[in-house]
Amino acid sequence: QLQLQESGAGLVKPSEILSLTCAVSGDSISSGSYTWSWIRQSPGNGLEWLGHIYHNGRTYYMPSLESRITMSQDWSRNEISLRLTSVTAADTAVYFCARARILQATLEGVVIGPFNYWGRGVLVTVSS
Amino acid sequence: EIVLTQSPGTLSLSPGERATLSCRASRIISHNYIAWYQQKPGQAPRLLVFDTSRRATGIPDRFSGSGSLTDFTLTISGLEPADYAVYYCQQYETSPKTFGQGTKVELK
Repeated sequence: QLQLQESGAGLVKPSEILSLTCAVSGDSISSGSYTWSWIRQSPGNGLEWLGHIYHNGRTYYMPSLESRITMSQDWSRNEISLRLTSVTAADTAVYFCARARILQATLEGVVIGPFNYWGRGVLVTVSS
Repeated sequence: EIVLTQSPGTLSLSPGERATLSCRASRIISHNYIAWYQQKPGQAPRLLVFDTSRRATGIPDRFSGSGSLTDFTLTISGLEPADYAVYYCQQYETSPKTFGQGTKVELK
């Protein structure tokens, strides 16, 4: 059974770096069949997809976050990671990792399906 | 970016009643790549329906999805106590993937 578990610092100071990890069990993140996404949820912005990473390390990031966000993968630990720099109070949210199947690969990227597996989420508060 | 607008914001219904939730897209979803999720407090969203009308594994048949182009609907025929939750639609037609703002189904 696939399980995703987010972890990381729950409190981050403004202007500092938010770092989270998603540990995956029950499947290998190196599989070419899926992408691994970060999605956050805040009272003000609802559910927001931040981007995804897939088997060859390719990424797509939400355009509004491109200058601040990095996703990476550690095949040996079977983990994906999120790094968000220069955080503000607007980055306060519950952060989820989620998996989606790749429906089609193109030169520009991939077409993915819905998010059928989610982690439980981790609350990150940005405050001094 | 495709904007999804859900209505109503809140639906107050009694057990056994039918719930009809709407999701309108700002652009045509040509591949019917619309999903619906259920979320309860303190939990992650759970996939109910994908490709507009296909139920996810283990989802009871009282949940059904329909629609095309820009207008999509999730219907719950005969509300059960476990169905009171917030429901989100999501498009995976284009990037960035986007969600609606949610419809809360509450006990009347």
